[in-house]
Amino acid sequence: GAGVSQSPSNKVTEKGKDVELRCDPISGHTALYWYRQSLGQGLEFLIYFQGNSAPDKSGLPSDRFSAERTGGSVSTLTIQRTQQEDSAVYLCASSPGTGLSANTEAFFGQGTRLTVV
Amino acid sequence: RKEVEQDPGPFNVPEGATVAFNCTYSNSASQSFFWYRQDCRKEPKLLMSVYSSGNEDGRFTAQLNRASQYISLLIRDSKLSDSATYLCVVNPRYNFNKFYFGSGTKLNVKP
Repeated sequence: GAGVSQSPSNKVTEKGKDVELRCDPISGHTALYWYRQSLGQGLEFLIYFQGNSAPDKSGLPSDRFSAERTGGSVSTLTIQRTQQEDSAVYLCASSPGTGLSANTEAFFGQGTRLTVV
Repeated sequence: RKEVEQDPGPFNVPEGATVAFNCTYSNSASQSFFWYRQDCRKEPKLLMSVYSSGNEDGRFTAQLNRASQYISLLIRDSKLSDSATYLCVVNPRYNFNKFYFGSGTKLNVKP
């Protein structure tokens, strides 16, 4: 597709269950990001993948959160044993490769709205 | 200290007004700067990049002040459709392509 695609668009899950959120970045983009946005709040950085480098996981809030990026393309964010405070919109973004002179923007998917009940 | 800080607002202005937002960043080595716009319950979208010399796109003007480490966005002749949250974004030199987002400034343009 032309843009970043995320699925599902909405997810309601019971507390304690595991969920997987998927992101298909723009083809050819080497950088992929996951952010979380709670209602009325700003974007909270979760994790960043750049090519084949080790991901920057510094934003993951707990060890219940993990993410993978297979083949340098699709990424999955997994939340284990979900809690009510995990309820938020999870946004994925991708951007072209790095470069000292790069002034590249990040393109966002429409997000997955996660509700933990 | 946060990498990027913004006044959350809201800024309530009448149609036709001129409004300006500032955003401060903490790392003096930051390289790239952007303003994103986010409509309610939508994903953020790029409004404009911010260049060292300042740049203008129609009613929107962005400026960078490296000495004071802030960027600004000026909106002239505000339209109802400008109502949104404006996010300041910084890409630090030390970590290419890791974007730091401010929490956003909410703008409400009233008839």
